[in-house]
Amino acid sequence: DQQVKQNSPSLSVQEGRISILNCDYTNSMFDYFLWYKKYPAEGPTFLISISSIKDKNEDGRFTVFLNKSAKHLSLHIVPSQPGDSAVYFCAASVAGNMLTFGGGTRLMVKP
Amino acid sequence: DGGITQSPKYLFRKEGQNVTLSCEQNLNHDAMYWYRQDPGQGLRLIYYSQIVNDFQKGDIAEGYSVSREKKESFPLTVTSAQKNPTAFYLCASSIAGVNTIYFGEGSWLTVV
Repeated sequence: DQQVKQNSPSLSVQEGRISILNCDYTNSMFDYFLWYKKYPAEGPTFLISISSIKDKNEDGRFTVFLNKSAKHLSLHIVPSQPGDSAVYFCAASVAGNMLTFGGGTRLMVKP
Repeated sequence: DGGITQSPKYLFRKEGQNVTLSCEQNLNHDAMYWYRQDPGQGLRLIYYSQIVNDFQKGDIAEGYSVSREKKESFPLTVTSAQKNPTAFYLCASSIAGVNTIYFGEGSWLTVV
């Protein structure tokens, strides 16, 4: 039973445009959400997070939106750059417990 | 530099052999984790430890063992009982009670 799902295994975007990566979850108890970025053969790096008391968090080119009623979060990257090409994982947790990861979305930003 | 060091980066193992992956962190984090990633798939939790001399099974602990004798070290042993050990293994750590975890560079294990 996948509690965190990333339904798009891949996404291709033109450089300079917006990238939108989506994540759905089923556990309404999740109260903290994170996005990680992973290059091949490297460990994931933390990108941005959001608490369930907020609906938006922004850090430079990266913005995460949380829609609790829809149990959906998204990561927006504007403008997209070729160096953003990587696999992005969303993750969620309940009250500081273990993170549950989605399956990842591979983003390809074309020059 | 502060961080999480995993070794070796690449490891080949013959079927029937046990192998131990090393993970060391100098971040003074209390909690440490082991994840497994299979090609094209997400991250699955193998074991975690929130304090020295204590650890808990994750979602896919069968065929693996760990120890936590020191705060900074959390080695993972992949035993011969693990049916499909070929994968990318990731060690991570975090401050106790804090959701954000930080990963090492990973170790590739291939069974030949």
